[in-house]
Amino acid sequence: KQEVTQIPAALSVPEGENLVLNCSFTDSAIYNLQWFRQDPGKGLTSLLLIQSSQREQTSGRLNASLDKSSGRSTLYIAASQPGDSATYLCAVPNQAGTALIFGKGTTLSVSS
Amino acid sequence: DGGITQSPKYLFRKEGQNVTLSCEQNLNHDAMYWYRQDPGQGLRLIYYSQIVNDFQKGDIAEGYSVSREKKESFPLTVTSAQKNPTAFYLCASSEQRFNTEAFFGQGTRLTVV
Repeated sequence: KQEVTQIPAALSVPEGENLVLNCSFTDSAIYNLQWFRQDPGKGLTSLLLIQSSQREQTSGRLNASLDKSSGRSTLYIAASQPGDSATYLCAVPNQAGTALIFGKGTTLSVSS
Repeated sequence: DGGITQSPKYLFRKEGQNVTLSCEQNLNHDAMYWYRQDPGQGLRLIYYSQIVNDFQKGDIAEGYSVSREKKESFPLTVTSAQKNPTAFYLCASSEQRFNTEAFFGQGTRLTVV
């Protein structure tokens, strides 16, 4: 059964720092991996989707990489800002593609 | 503006009452999903639907029911059989199965009073 783990559970950094969030999964036979952002009391916002054939995807200051063979993905945030403070979740589809399996997230706090 | 609309944002349920959460999407997506989010437990799948008039149970379907009469709508009913319904409920959709990008609504927070 696929399991998704995110470490660390929480991270605090000063503004301007570059940082990396980690996501690992137990079954490397995935179709894709998706990163989301969740603000307190809000829904999930899709940040990046990496297909299994891709190694990385970029959107603005965000860069996500995928290494299927090692079961890992990283989300790199450049020049962090207080507005980046949120919980970041990664998710992969199950084998049937009928559900997303989520990690428990990393809660990021960026101080000014 | 394309997206997923959930309503209401906040909902209060009395003991023994059924309540219905609304989810509407104008993305023309075939697949729709309901998730429950509890602190420390992450997101868990309640029900999913890949096509109109068809839906399947997820990991925690007991005490919940759904319908999919229209492509754009996937309401969730929390019945009195659900013993611990207080949670944050999230609706999602994707073009087909989760092999394509998934999009989420803003959520409904349900509280038992």
